Amino acid sequence: EAGVAQSPRYKIIEKRQSVAFWCNPISGHATLYWYQQILGQGPKLLIQFQNNGVVDDSQLPKDRFSAERLKGVDSTLKIQPAKLEDSAVYLCASSLPRLTSGGTDTQYFGPGTRLTVL
Amino acid sequence: GENVEQHPSTLSVQEGDSAVIKCTYSDSASNYFPWYKQELGKRPQLIIDIRSNVGEKKDQRIAVTLNKTAKHFSLHITETQPEDSAVYFCAASARYSSASKIIFGSGTRLSIRP
Repeated sequence: EAGVAQSPRYKIIEKRQSVAFWCNPISGHATLYWYQQILGQGPKLLIQFQNNGVVDDSQLPKDRFSAERLKGVDSTLKIQPAKLEDSAVYLCASSLPRLTSGGTDTQYFGPGTRLTVL
Repeated sequence: GENVEQHPSTLSVQEGDSAVIKCTYSDSASNYFPWYKQELGKRPQLIIDIRSNVGEKKDQRIAVTLNKTAKHFSLHITETQPEDSAVYFCAASARYSSASKIIFGSGTRLSIRP
């Protein structure tokens, strides 16, 4: 079974520039998460999708961050404009909800995108 | 808001000794508690999980205990080995309507001394 795919793996930009990250979840996983992990901290949930609908985006800085999952599969996370404090690893995860047959809510993480804002 | 507290933030143990990491959660609706291991520069990997209808679960050298009344859960690693060195995250997940909400602890950096 293929895991969660993310690209790019690394990105370096200057402040005020824009950046976009892409995530392809495990096939069949209805729930997709985007996390921000700052060095030395735990993952912080930015946004959670259930299929193509947003379940939780309470911690997403909506003035600069946006995310979409138009067809309920792939997702993109965008930052525009970037700030120095956005430097972090952006992790995408997916899960099969317990309401689904065989679902467990267990999250599987992608390799992450390391963003450096200069 | 809801949160998960994790202690200690760093832990150093002699190889072969046991390590214990503790977490507390605030959301009484939490009913799923996974533990993740993250090695340097790698993604978090699930190592063990427990659901609220179980008090303890064991998988070889790793065990997790849950006290729902006290809202505590703990990770126990016995006979530690060098490859156990990593950052460990606890998490608590609660189900609301058709989706679940998960909150991670801040992590414990475990170092195994040879």
